[in-house]
Amino acid sequence: ILNVEQSPQSLHVQEGDSTNFTCSFPSSNFYALHWYRWETAKSPEALFVMTLNGDEKKKGRISATLNTKEGYSYLYIKGSQPEDSATYLCAFKPRFGNEKLTFGTGTRLTIIP
Amino acid sequence: DAGITQSPRHKVTETGTPVTLRCHQTENHRYMYWYRQDPGHGLRLIHYSYGVKDTDKGEVSDGYSVSRSKTEDFLLTLESATSSQTSVYFCAIKPSGVKSSYNEQFFGPGTRLTVL
Repeated sequence: ILNVEQSPQSLHVQEGDSTNFTCSFPSSNFYALHWYRWETAKSPEALFVMTLNGDEKKKGRISATLNTKEGYSYLYIKGSQPEDSATYLCAFKPRFGNEKLTFGTGTRLTIIP
Repeated sequence: DAGITQSPRHKVTETGTPVTLRCHQTENHRYMYWYRQDPGHGLRLIHYSYGVKDTDKGEVSDGYSVSRSKTEDFLLTLESATSSQTSVYFCAIKPSGVKSSYNEQFFGPGTRLTVL
């Protein structure tokens, strides 16, 4: 079983503040790391697919970085807005093995107006 | 919208009864997945399919079976539902194409199942 961990489990951030959280994964056997945004009562929505060490992806106020040598990825949200409230999931795809993703348990982000 | 529907969207059933959930896709994707969502566990894979009649187990497959007799439909069956199977169930597909090797998946709307 692959160990994919996210921290913190939950986070409350004041509207307008910036924030970040972490996904850690096995540094050996890396192939891809996915970030998903999951709003309550909806289905997870793909944000980024990260594949190269040093990769940085950006979508509006949300960005992500990747360090495959040390086995972590950061997700950053700049100038948090109430609509950013969601659970953010990361998912790991190893190089060798199967057609599955291993998901972390998520970081639940609540933006306080 | 990846053309994925799930039915039913909500179901309440009693312990010991069989339950079948359906995932339907319209775009002929080869790979389909069933996950369950549980507090503190995120998404956990139950079973997946890599083609018609080709399926494999995930990490929480006990108590569940699946079938895929057509490309477009992937059925999840709880042979004898238990209260521990109360959860939200998500179906996902992996599209073919350039990003297929990265295993990017897209999710259906979910089925909320309550076992009393």
